[in-house]
Amino acid sequence: EPEVTQTPSHQVTQMGQEVILRCVPISNHLYFYWYRQILGQKVEFLVSFYNNEISEKSEIFDDQFSVERPDGSNFTLKIRSTKLEDSAMYFCASRLQGGVYEQYFGPGTRLTVT
Amino acid sequence: KNEVEQSPQNLTAQEGEFITINCSYSVGISALHWLQQHPGGGIVSLFMLSSGKKKHGRLIATINIQEKHSSLHITASHPRDSAVYICAVSRGGSNYQLIWGAGTKLIIKP
Repeated sequence: EPEVTQTPSHQVTQMGQEVILRCVPISNHLYFYWYRQILGQKVEFLVSFYNNEISEKSEIFDDQFSVERPDGSNFTLKIRSTKLEDSAMYFCASRLQGGVYEQYFGPGTRLTVT
Repeated sequence: KNEVEQSPQNLTAQEGEFITINCSYSVGISALHWLQQHPGGGIVSLFMLSSGKKKHGRLIATINIQEKHSSLHITASHPRDSAVYICAVSRGGSNYQLIWGAGTKLIIKP
């Protein structure tokens, strides 16, 4: 069964460093999402991406964040200068098309900023 | 006020018990989702509902659109059902991003 994959599974970085989290969505899906979950808290929406552009972003998704679909398969989240409070689990999700369709989630990347 | 509220926050039960987890929401939605999060963190979608009831194995999900309420039931619960169960809603528009509840941590004891 097709699945969303994410790499790395765990990333440790120092404050101020740039990180890139990678996702490979399901191949025929058109809508892509990043969510994050700070330890012990609920999952929060970061950004949605469709047709090679951001379609919506939350207040969390400030200028330190960017997303890209550099080729036909990868979907990346970049954090330019990490802060301690960026430590969280980051989930990528994809959805087939417009309308009420299920989202499929990757296993997550645990980001630890020290 | 949270747009999606779940209860209870924590639930411990004995194997075989019938489990109910509740979700209320305060916004207009296009669909409601029930998801399962395993101890390792991975998220799996269980159900997506816009009306009525769905059943998959021992899991049943219902939604009452007028009352803005949904329930997730587990029949004949088993220790392997132990996980966090999360209710999330999608508000429609063009993006369908999810608004998440805080989750219910379920522990089933043998």
